[in-house]
Amino acid sequence: KAGVTQTPRYLIKTRGQQVTLSCSPISGHRSVSWYQQTPGQGLQFLFEYFSETQRNKGNFPGRFSGRQFSNSRSEMNVSTLELGDSALYLCASSKDTGELFFGEGSRLTVL
Amino acid sequence: QKEVEQDPGPLSVPEGAIVSLNCTYSNSAFQYFMWYRQYSRKGPELLMYTYSSGNKEDGRFTAQVDKSSKYISLFIRDSQPSDSATYLCAPGGNNRLAFGKGNQVVVIP
Repeated sequence: KAGVTQTPRYLIKTRGQQVTLSCSPISGHRSVSWYQQTPGQGLQFLFEYFSETQRNKGNFPGRFSGRQFSNSRSEMNVSTLELGDSALYLCASSKDTGELFFGEGSRLTVL
Repeated sequence: QKEVEQDPGPLSVPEGAIVSLNCTYSNSAFQYFMWYRQYSRKGPELLMYTYSSGNKEDGRFTAQVDKSSKYISLFIRDSQPSDSATYLCAPGGNNRLAFGKGNQVVVIP
């Protein structure tokens, strides 16, 4: 059974640019969550989507957005990148039982 | 007050020792409790999952939850070098998990 797939794995951007990250959940999982992981703050919840609807949202500025498609695949977008956005962005899918299954993450470096 | 407090360590132990990790949480609405293990440059993987107060055992791993004091523990018996990783406690509810910062554990052969 294929796991959660995130692309790209690594990317480098400059301040002011925007970035789109992609996540393919485990087959049959309809919930997709996004987290930001940094050494200082740990794992912080960004948002959660279920059946194309944002169901939960963390405490991040509006520059962070996401969406989910009818096939449960999800994307997140960060606009007007700042140095502090450098982090590992993790996507996790769930069957809506609470258990999250994480991908390997997309490591974003903002210069 | 942070939702989940977890002392990041690091914690170094000799092979075969018992590893004891813990965290506290503040949100009494949390209904389920998980521990994740994260190896360097990998995503977190689910290690233990429990709904209720008490102990849950799985091989060398035991998760302990005390809802009355909002305290979560993980014990690793007969630790192995392959257990060297970061361990994240994650209480959750309403389709959201709140993560601690993680405990970095190093098991020395």
